Amino acid sequence: SAVISQKPSRDICQRGTSLTIQCQVDSQVTMMFWYRQQPGQSLTLIATANQGSEATYESGFVIDKFPISRPNLTFSTLTVSNMSPEDSSIYLCSVADGDYGYTFGSGTRLTVV
Amino acid sequence: GQQVMQIPQYQHVQEGEDFTTYCNSSTTLSNIQWYKQRPGGHPVFLIQLVKSGEVKKQKRLTFQFGEAKKNSSLHITATQTTDVGTYFCSSYNFNKFYFGSGTKLNVKP
Repeated sequence: SAVISQKPSRDICQRGTSLTIQCQVDSQVTMMFWYRQQPGQSLTLIATANQGSEATYESGFVIDKFPISRPNLTFSTLTVSNMSPEDSSIYLCSVADGDYGYTFGSGTRLTVV
Repeated sequence: GQQVMQIPQYQHVQEGEDFTTYCNSSTTLSNIQWYKQRPGGHPVFLIQLVKSGEVKKQKRLTFQFGEAKKNSSLHITATQTTDVGTYFCSSYNFNKFYFGSGTKLNVKP
């Protein structure tokens, strides 16, 4: 199965600032996904990152707040912009991994103070 | 819209007891995946089911997909403390993901 390196693993940020989260995959993948997970809750899909085109955002999420880059088939970034305490959460990237379902990165635990 | 409902929300069992979590949908699912998330960890893929009535086994874990493809279950026989975690079902239909709310399993030694 694919191996995903997600960075940073955690961060504490000041409100009003931005944080960029990176995911590097060890193989080329067509579809990459970004999720948010509140502690003890299920996963909420933020957007699907497509190589060569703009990301597709789910209802409630907008590009200005969560800009995504997908420069090639092995890498993507998610930026959480103009952060507020409500953005404190765990952010996860994921890739479609054929017979292995969907493989997740190890997550970024974000705390906004 | 389509939802995947998962029950129970929590389950506390004594080590050695069995455990089952259920996912239900009001509409037909093209597939269903099951994931395990250990405390502090990320979801890890367990299995994918795509066929009506499909049953798959992984050691002590048995996964079923209903005949109507509207429900699925994960059954663990003789739980161990290593089974502790949250189990999620998920389905990818019509280019959208649907995650169940998860069942948090606690196993008392």
